[in-house]
Amino acid sequence: GAVVSQHPSRVICKSGTSVKIECRSLDFQATTMFWYRQFPKQSLMLMATSNEGSKATYEQGVEKDKFLINHASLTLSTLTVTSAHPEDSSFYICSARLAAGELFFGEGSRLTVL
Amino acid sequence: KQEVTQIPAALSVPEGENLVLNCSFTDSAIYNLQWFRQDPGKGLTSLLLIQSSQREQTSGRLNASLDKSSGRSTLYIAASQPGDSATYLCAVGTGGGNKLTFGTGTQLKVEL
Repeated sequence: GAVVSQHPSRVICKSGTSVKIECRSLDFQATTMFWYRQFPKQSLMLMATSNEGSKATYEQGVEKDKFLINHASLTLSTLTVTSAHPEDSSFYICSARLAAGELFFGEGSRLTVL
Repeated sequence: KQEVTQIPAALSVPEGENLVLNCSFTDSAIYNLQWFRQDPGKGLTSLLLIQSSQREQTSGRLNASLDKSSGRSTLYIAASQPGDSATYLCAVGTGGGNKLTFGTGTQLKVEL
């Protein structure tokens, strides 16, 4: 299957700092990527849809100024958590979609804000 | 608003047993349905994708069915193995498949 890579897999930061997470499609081009967040013992919740060359589309309740998404190329989308706070601690997962419709997910990035 | 429910929330079975995981959704106007596996602290691995026009998909020991009119899907795992232990998530796709709504998952443990 297609491969989606995320980096870093784990990050610990101090409150108030910003953290960038990268999502790459390694063997295919993805005009659209998706960012999800998963809190402990909960399911994944879609945060935003990342569109190559244009602005991301955010789900209701997700602050676009706090979660900055950039999709500068067909193989890379980045999520920056700005001024992170402990309540932002979560598991962030990206996915990319093949033309046939199947979604492939990255390994996830565990963010811990102290 | 689409809601996806998975039953049971947790399941423990002995090795070799056949088992069925259930997924139900409230809005039958779906584009597709996908089953995933998630290991602890890891991302998701796609298992099976069923388009809205299909009734089932098979891959190895896995078989997934879809009954769109009743809002149900099942994942059948034959001859379960300890390596099958994981959380299984079903996700309903809408908006051309771009938006996935996930269930809360079934945590499966297959014991020796």
